[in-house]
Amino acid sequence: NAGVTQTPKFQVLKTGQSMTLQCAQDMNHEYMSWYRQDPGMGLRLIHYSVGAGITDQGEVPNGYNVSRSTTEDFPLRLLSAAPSQTSVYFCASRRGDPYEQYFGPGTRLTVT
Amino acid sequence: TQLLEQSPQFLSIQEGENLTVYCNSSSVFSSLQWYRQEPGEGPVLLVTVVTGGEVKKLKRLTFQFGDARKDSSLHITAAQTGDTGLYLCAGAVGQNFVFGPGTRLSVLP
Repeated sequence: NAGVTQTPKFQVLKTGQSMTLQCAQDMNHEYMSWYRQDPGMGLRLIHYSVGAGITDQGEVPNGYNVSRSTTEDFPLRLLSAAPSQTSVYFCASRRGDPYEQYFGPGTRLTVT
Repeated sequence: TQLLEQSPQFLSIQEGENLTVYCNSSSVFSSLQWYRQEPGEGPVLLVTVVTGGEVKKLKRLTFQFGDARKDSSLHITAAQTGDTGLYLCAGAVGQNFVFGPGTRLSVLP
């Protein structure tokens, strides 16, 4: 049981490049979320999904796309990277209730 | 503007001391969670509190949810170096969570 896995661990992009951050969970959780963590800001919700085929925007969705074709996978796409997207990105999953949220190890992204 | 405020922002203490960190909001939450995050890792859930006035204990950690469900505190008794980390609180809003900015705790040997 690997829990929540994220790849890559580190990534450097140039402004304007696109990329996909991968997230997978093997706990059969319905809910999955993407957060970004910036110094002094806590974690801010980017997008979330309540099940396969269903996604919705969080607090800071601009510049990011998501899809949820399977229960296990929830990739985050950066369409045209900007320096403001330099951050640490965390994927999380949980069951239908709000009581147990599990986080992946994070992806540290730098946009130059 | 942060929906959740945490204080203090930084705290450095000696091993064996007691400490309390706070999580405050003007909003009411249906539940509130506390996480600990170590460098280079994702947050790990410590506890969830649901009922106003609820107190939960996890070994040397005591968590309290305010009566009005707007605030919470985390008290650590006899801190150890292994308690070092970033402590985050998160309030449930609908089906999602709002996180505070965290308290960074350093416990010195």
